[in-house]
Amino acid sequence: QKEVEQDPGPLSVPEGAIVSLNCTYSNSAFQYFMWYRQYSRKGPELLMYTYSSGNKEDGRFTAQVDKSSKYISLFIRDSQPSDSATYLCAMSGAGTASKLTFGTGTRLQVTL
Amino acid sequence: NAGVMQNPRHLVRRRGQEARLRCSPMKGHSHVYWYRQLPEEGLKFMVYLQKENIIDESGMPKERFSAEFPKEGPSILRIQQVVRGDSAAYFCASSPAGAEETQYFGPGTRLLVL
Repeated sequence: QKEVEQDPGPLSVPEGAIVSLNCTYSNSAFQYFMWYRQYSRKGPELLMYTYSSGNKEDGRFTAQVDKSSKYISLFIRDSQPSDSATYLCAMSGAGTASKLTFGTGTRLQVTL
Repeated sequence: NAGVMQNPRHLVRRRGQEARLRCSPMKGHSHVYWYRQLPEEGLKFMVYLQKENIIDESGMPKERFSAEFPKEGPSILRIQQVVRGDSAAYFCASSPAGAEETQYFGPGTRLLVL
């Protein structure tokens, strides 16, 4: 079983929809939770960073962490075609904050 | 305000050759990380370096792979005697000291071994 599970998609939504992306994990020692966006053949871009449980909002993006359920989410409001990318969740803190463990990514397609 | 820089962006090697991948961290960042991304797989941690020190190499293959971050110049990931299974995208990330969990990634080097 992988430490971090993420539905690979693809997830296709119409422009303007609310998108929900999720990851589950098995290691209860994780404390730092990140979401990255990766366009095709580019490097991952840090979108959101959360420490421990709770919510964090940044513009159209909201990150949620539920440590009791070992479940994290990223919500994208008013989705745009430019949001079409692969979204990677990542986490760390199991002994060291520096070693990020990634999900395999969810491919999102926002259609006109 | 340059981000993390990696070169080359694409590298083709024949089996048995050496591959050298370079990474310059963001300005003000003193910590460098290397990750490998295989097709259809997530990014896998390889190594964490600070200037002149390897801090964590728990993700590095035991043979043929090495990394350094000298006092001057970029970080280097070196793969000796490449095999086809080394074909992947190699990403470098950097962070400031004290914020190791917030890592900013470069564009990657795509290595193809023929």
